[in-house]
Amino acid sequence: DAKTTQPNSMESNEEEPVHLPCNHSTISGTDYIHWYRQLPSQGPEYVIHGLTSNVNNRMASLAIAEDRKSSTLILHRATLRDAAVYYCILRGGTNAGKSTFGDGTTLTVKP
Amino acid sequence: GAVVSQHPSWVICKSGTSVKIECRSLDFQATTMFWYRQFPKQSLMLMATSNEGSKATYEQGVEKDKFLINHASLTLSTLTVTSAHPEDSSFYICSAPGTSGDQPNTGELFFGEGSRLTVL
Repeated sequence: DAKTTQPNSMESNEEEPVHLPCNHSTISGTDYIHWYRQLPSQGPEYVIHGLTSNVNNRMASLAIAEDRKSSTLILHRATLRDAAVYYCILRGGTNAGKSTFGDGTTLTVKP
Repeated sequence: GAVVSQHPSWVICKSGTSVKIECRSLDFQATTMFWYRQFPKQSLMLMATSNEGSKATYEQGVEKDKFLINHASLTLSTLTVTSAHPEDSSFYICSAPGTSGDQPNTGELFFGEGSRLTVL
């Protein structure tokens, strides 16, 4: 499995932008970059995903490096409800859709 | 969006008994579902891939006779923890790939709410 690495933790102030990085240097050409977040005692929640181009949705933006070896999840204005563990994973057709979850980044949002 | 539901949300059982956890895709069909376990303060660990109409494929180190998976229909997969012991206490989560738009192996994953198992 292609692996991802993320910082263990990050802090942000409320209403400020947050940039969560992810490295995936062994990504293959068919792997999509996915981001999920998980609140305590809940299942993960989908945030965004992309292949090559930057992506935007109502929750966040995903910036993908030109060589695709890294990506950044951007929360434009962090709220207290955005405090969660954020996971960056790869999903591709070469591994039957299975994905390995790394340790993720615990985002703390300060009021 | 698509919804995946797990039942029960939490369960307490005695050591040596078996516990069944259900994972349902409520508004879409899922030929594949994934089962994970998560210990406190740790990440999700993939246990197995559940395949509708065929045997599940287990990750290395996961005992298939201990964790029985049945995917009897396109909307239901079950995980049975047999002869549960305290070390099996964990948070069990299932997910299913969506079917609209993206290919199932590359598109969005929908996760259940999780089932917390406590074995006394």
